[in-house]
Amino acid sequence: GAVVSQHPSRVICKSGTSVKIECRSLDFQATTMFWYRQFPKKSLMLMATSNEGSKATYEQGVEKDKFLINHASLTLSTLTVTSAHPEDSSFYICSARAGGPGGELFFGEGSRLTVL
Amino acid sequence: AQTVTQSQPEMSVQEAETVTLSCTYDTSENNYYLFWYKQPPSRQMILVIRQEAYKQQNATENRFSVNFQKAAKSFSLKISDSQLGDTAMYFCAFIGDQGAQKLVFGQGTRLTINP
Repeated sequence: GAVVSQHPSRVICKSGTSVKIECRSLDFQATTMFWYRQFPKKSLMLMATSNEGSKATYEQGVEKDKFLINHASLTLSTLTVTSAHPEDSSFYICSARAGGPGGELFFGEGSRLTVL
Repeated sequence: AQTVTQSQPEMSVQEAETVTLSCTYDTSENNYYLFWYKQPPSRQMILVIRQEAYKQQNATENRFSVNFQKAAKSFSLKISDSQLGDTAMYFCAFIGDQGAQKLVFGQGTRLTINP
């Protein structure tokens, strides 16, 4: 099956620094990528939807200036957590889809961010 | 807005038993897609089964099958002959054919298969 690679899998940073997480579709072109946040033992909360070449659409309550999403190519989307604080510590998961809404979503392995 | 509800936070069964996980959803759309995803301790999301709303026949994948009741907006997952490797979080998910086309997840059910 298709593969989505997410990097880094774990990152620890100091409060106030910025962290970038990459999401790559390795063997297909992803017209749409989604970024989710997952708290321990909770469901996936959609943060934003990104389409290649256009601005990301953020969900209500998600700070677009805090969580910068870029989808510069059909195989790469990035999430940058700016000026990270301990409350930003979480598990972030990306997913990518090649076609329309019925197409399978392929998920990255997730990135665990810890902000000290 | 679409919502997905899983009313069973946790379930536990013995190995080889059959277990059914419940899911209901709410939407005004006529065509949409429903999914069950498995998230083992590794946290990697794995697609278990997929159902298209316009198809009346229930989807089946080996030991996994669904009971799709469109009028009742219900989409339950049945796992037959459960195995220890089935232990995981299971998420029901919905995506509509119109509008934002976002995949919306339910709260999840933690399933434990006991030896």
